[in-house]
Amino acid sequence: DTGVSQNPRHKITKRGQNVTFRCDPISEHNRLYWYRQTLGQGPEFLTYFQNEAQLEKSRLLSDRFSAERPKGSFSTLEIQRTEQGDSAMYLCASSHLATPVYEQYFGPGTRLTVT
Amino acid sequence: AQRVTQPEKLLSVFKGAPVELKCNYSYSGSPELFWYVQYSRQRLQLLLRHISRESIKGFTADLNKGETSFHLKKPFAQEEDSAMYYCALSNQGAQKLVFGQGTRLTINP
Repeated sequence: DTGVSQNPRHKITKRGQNVTFRCDPISEHNRLYWYRQTLGQGPEFLTYFQNEAQLEKSRLLSDRFSAERPKGSFSTLEIQRTEQGDSAMYLCASSHLATPVYEQYFGPGTRLTVT
Repeated sequence: AQRVTQPEKLLSVFKGAPVELKCNYSYSGSPELFWYVQYSRQRLQLLLRHISRESIKGFTADLNKGETSFHLKKPFAQEEDSAMYYCALSNQGAQKLVFGQGTRLTINP
């Protein structure tokens, strides 16, 4: 499967713990996006990278959230001191630099449950 | 502020009946509008975009700037159309999609 992959697919954690998710984009895709999707809502933009540079961050991305893409390939999203409100599906998407914003390929998501 | 509203969380129609999924947006500039679809156990994917004015899987959507709407229509629904549908917008040149809340479409046999 050469699509976007995300790990883990499911994560259950206790409130206050730190969690880290990984996204592997499609090979040679320069742009990588993170979205959050809470129950009954559509995906909400969190941040995006162009190669290793983080070019935009949403106000939704509080200080407890940090995303990295150190070598311009895979990306990690870390949530520190998780809260119950962080429970959501975290989606990753990637696209090529030369393509428009709508040509994003989405991963299967990581479902986070904070108890 | 950019906003996309899909007023119906759930929509159920019979096979062969027409279907219309509503989408309204608020945006001060000239947005680009899209419909994304997520079939059961599959990933979110682009269905169609307003600029192309194309018909995909029998679906069409017309951008009405006066009513700030981008409703998705299909004259004869098929069972395989059952899915979650999201309307989305972006402003030209931006790298950000703004999604609506989604409508779950169920086609009954």
